[in-house]
Amino acid sequence: EAGVAQSPRYKIIEKRQSVAFWCNPISGHATLYWYQQILGQGPKLLIQFQNNGVVDDSQLPKDRFSAERLKGVDSTLKIQPAKLEDSAVYLCASSTREDSHYNEQFFGPGTRLTVL
Amino acid sequence: AQSVAQPEDQVNVAEGNPLTVKCTYSVSGNPYLFWYVQYPNRGLQFLLKYITGDNLVKGSYGFEAEFNKSQTSFHLKKPSALVSDSALYFCAVRDMSNYQLIWGAGTKLIIKP
Repeated sequence: EAGVAQSPRYKIIEKRQSVAFWCNPISGHATLYWYQQILGQGPKLLIQFQNNGVVDDSQLPKDRFSAERLKGVDSTLKIQPAKLEDSAVYLCASSTREDSHYNEQFFGPGTRLTVL
Repeated sequence: AQSVAQPEDQVNVAEGNPLTVKCTYSVSGNPYLFWYVQYPNRGLQFLLKYITGDNLVKGSYGFEAEFNKSQTSFHLKKPSALVSDSALYFCAVRDMSNYQLIWGAGTKLIIKP
């Protein structure tokens, strides 16, 4: 079974530029998550999709961050414009069932973003 | 307030010795509890979970964890540490009153030969 795929693995941009991350979850996984992980901290949920609908985006800074999962499979997360404090690892995860509260999540390798 | 605490930033253990990585939590509802491991430059990997039933749960790579409701703890343990266990370990707790998943800050485990 292929794991969660993410690209790119690393990205360096100047502040005020835009950037996009891509995620392809494990086949058949209905739930997809985007997390932000700042060095020395646990992951922070940015957005959760159930198929192609948003379940939770309460911690997504909507003035600069956006995400979509148009066909209920892969997803993109965009930052526009980026700020220095956006430097972090962006993790994508997926899980199997619609009732996913007790299911573990499967994580991709992450995208390390550096904003200069 | 809901929270998860991993009180030790780093744990050092000699290879072959038992290890414990601590996790305590504070949630308003019944918890679902998870442990994940993160190796350098890799995403998090699921180790084990407690949902209900036996308080001692066994997981991947020989790890186990004990749910203690009275102490609101879910410590991760392994009887004999390996150098390859060196990684960053995260405890996560889902508060079933609002389904929010709360992550600890992580504990760096270093196993010395």
